[in-house]
Amino acid sequence: QTVVTQEPSLTVSPGGTVTLTCASSTGAVSSGYYPNWFQQKPGQAPRALIYSATNKHSWTPTRFSGSLLGGKAALTLSGVQPEDEAEYYCLLYYGGAWMFGGGTRLTVL
Amino acid sequence: EVQLVESGGGLVQAGGSLRLSCAASGFTISTYWMHWVRQAPGKGLVWVSRISSDGSTTNYADSVEGRFTISRDNAKDRLYLQMNSLRDEDTAVYYCASNVGSGWFNWGQGTLVTVSS
Repeated sequence: QTVVTQEPSLTVSPGGTVTLTCASSTGAVSSGYYPNWFQQKPGQAPRALIYSATNKHSWTPTRFSGSLLGGKAALTLSGVQPEDEAEYYCLLYYGGAWMFGGGTRLTVL
Repeated sequence: EVQLVESGGGLVQAGGSLRLSCAASGFTISTYWMHWVRQAPGKGLVWVSRISSDGSTTNYADSVEGRFTISRDNAKDRLYLQMNSLRDEDTAVYYCASNVGSGWFNWGQGTLVTVSS
């Protein structure tokens, strides 16, 4: 049973920097897993932020960036704003199927 | 404005069936792979199924294989999910989403399916 693992929760101060990670039970996450990142706020649909590990959508704020780091996919928020408080999900591709991580609840405090 | 709008959710008894629809506007779905993703109350996102841009390839999560069928009508810019033999654990908000290559793009607002036993 394949599992995609994210930190359950993280806390960051306004203006600070935080990195969320996404690991696969099958081994190191590479570009071939096509990592995508999404933001979801309460009562709203998810919104796409990053695709193919590092690429931003046209609507993605510049303070969000994606990378591959130490065998994991990573989402870094630099200069965190209060409105960044949300649940963040990663998504990986497993050749025919996609799998979401369990989500990271980011608190801005 | 690019938009995906789901419909067809509701309350259904365990063992029953439901058909969800997803209507696209502001773009044509014919070049996109399309997906269904669900989210049980208070839980995380779970990928359910996908269909290729021409409808020739479909894939399903193990939990719905054999019970759910994904389909599409590109002429109508619509995506469907036929759900049969529904179980309590299928209760969730169901989202449709679009995907090209390695990137996922637009999501609908979701439609709630409640299965009662």
